[in-house]
Amino acid sequence: KQEVTQIPAALSVPEGENLVLNCSFTDSAIYNLQWFRQDPGKGLTSLLLIQSSQREQTSGRLNASLDKSSGRSTLYIAASQPGDSATYLCAVPPSGAGSARQLTFGSGTQLTVLP
Amino acid sequence: KAGVTQTPRYLIKTRGQQVTLSCSPISGHRSVSWYQQTPGQGLQFLFEYFSETQRNKGNFPGRFSGRQFSNSRSEMNVSTLELGDSALYLCASSIAGQGGSDTQYFGPGTRLTVL
Repeated sequence: KQEVTQIPAALSVPEGENLVLNCSFTDSAIYNLQWFRQDPGKGLTSLLLIQSSQREQTSGRLNASLDKSSGRSTLYIAASQPGDSATYLCAVPPSGAGSARQLTFGSGTQLTVLP
Repeated sequence: KAGVTQTPRYLIKTRGQQVTLSCSPISGHRSVSWYQQTPGQGLQFLFEYFSETQRNKGNFPGRFSGRQFSNSRSEMNVSTLELGDSALYLCASSIAGQGGSDTQYFGPGTRLTVL
């Protein structure tokens, strides 16, 4: 059974800092890994999806990397801003023959960027 | 293109009642998945529908059911509500391309409170 862990559970940084969020998963036979952000009481916004054949994906100030062999992914946020404050979640589909849309989520990292 | 919409946004019910939640996917998306989010358990997969057929089901009791219509809209039903069913219910849609390696887009959720 796939398990996803995110460390740290919470992170507070001053505006302008570069930061890294971590995600680890137990079964490396994944189709892809997706990063989301969730604002309080809201739905999830997809940030990046990395296919299993890729090592990283970039979107603006965000860069996500994937190391399947070690079961890890990182989300790098450059020049953080107060508007980046949210909970960041990573999710993977099941390994093997399961649906790639049956995601297992980590518990998230709650990020606060202080002005 | 309009995003995923969910109705209603908020619901208050009492124990023993039943409830139906609705989800309209992004136009052209054929897969709809449902998730339950609670502070204690985090995000958990409920089920996925594709072409009006349930393709996958998470580990939830039979009180949780769903269906999908020919226009890809989906409904989720919870019967005999329990206090523990209080949660944010999220719906996600995806194109469901070959291999299933595609991004899921989430709606804003329906906040269900059971009294």
